[in-house]
Amino acid sequence: EDQVTQSPEALRLQEGESSSLNCSYTVSGLRGLFWYRQDPGKGPEFLFTLYSAGEEKEKERLKATLTKKESFLHITAPKPEDSATYLCAALPFGNEKLTFGTGTRLTIIP
Amino acid sequence: DVKVTQSSRYLVKRTGEKVFLECVQDMDHENMFWYRQDPGLGLRLIYFSYDVKMKEKGDIPEGYSVSREKKERFSLILESASTNQTSMYLCASSFQLRGNQPQHFGDGTRLSIL
Repeated sequence: EDQVTQSPEALRLQEGESSSLNCSYTVSGLRGLFWYRQDPGKGPEFLFTLYSAGEEKEKERLKATLTKKESFLHITAPKPEDSATYLCAALPFGNEKLTFGTGTRLTIIP
Repeated sequence: DVKVTQSSRYLVKRTGEKVFLECVQDMDHENMFWYRQDPGLGLRLIYFSYDVKMKEKGDIPEGYSVSREKKERFSLILESASTNQTSMYLCASSFQLRGNQPQHFGDGTRLSIL
């Protein structure tokens, strides 16, 4: 059974304090690993897709990396507007069903 | 920009009512999905569709049905609403098996069943 686990559940950082969010996955052949950002009362907003181990993608203060078992979302010098829940999801070969983790709720304190 | 529009942001219904949630996408995506999102449980797939009039059960289809009569529109139906169906419902769409295209989400419908 495909499974995605995110840690920590919640993370509070001071503005400017860098950290990483973890996403561990078990799928029968990974076609893509997706990161989303979700603000309260809104739908998830797509951030990155990673396809193969060793790949990295960057957007502003966020950088996503992928290994054969995990993905990390590194946040560098975060600002209060980076506060959100970050979701990762794995897409296996052979079907269109994403398996989501339960998310990390990130709070950046000014 | 991809736009996925859900017909209602908030909806309050009574137990036993038949409830329709509507979703429209404007990007000619083949795939459409319905999820529910509950605290601590994450997003769980209810149903998805990869073509007009086609549907596949997701992980939690019990108590729900779907309809896709046109490519851009995907409806979720609660046949007889119950209080345990109170949740945030999210619709998504994507291209089919085309370069790992991501799913794009609407802003959700927060449904309360009284």
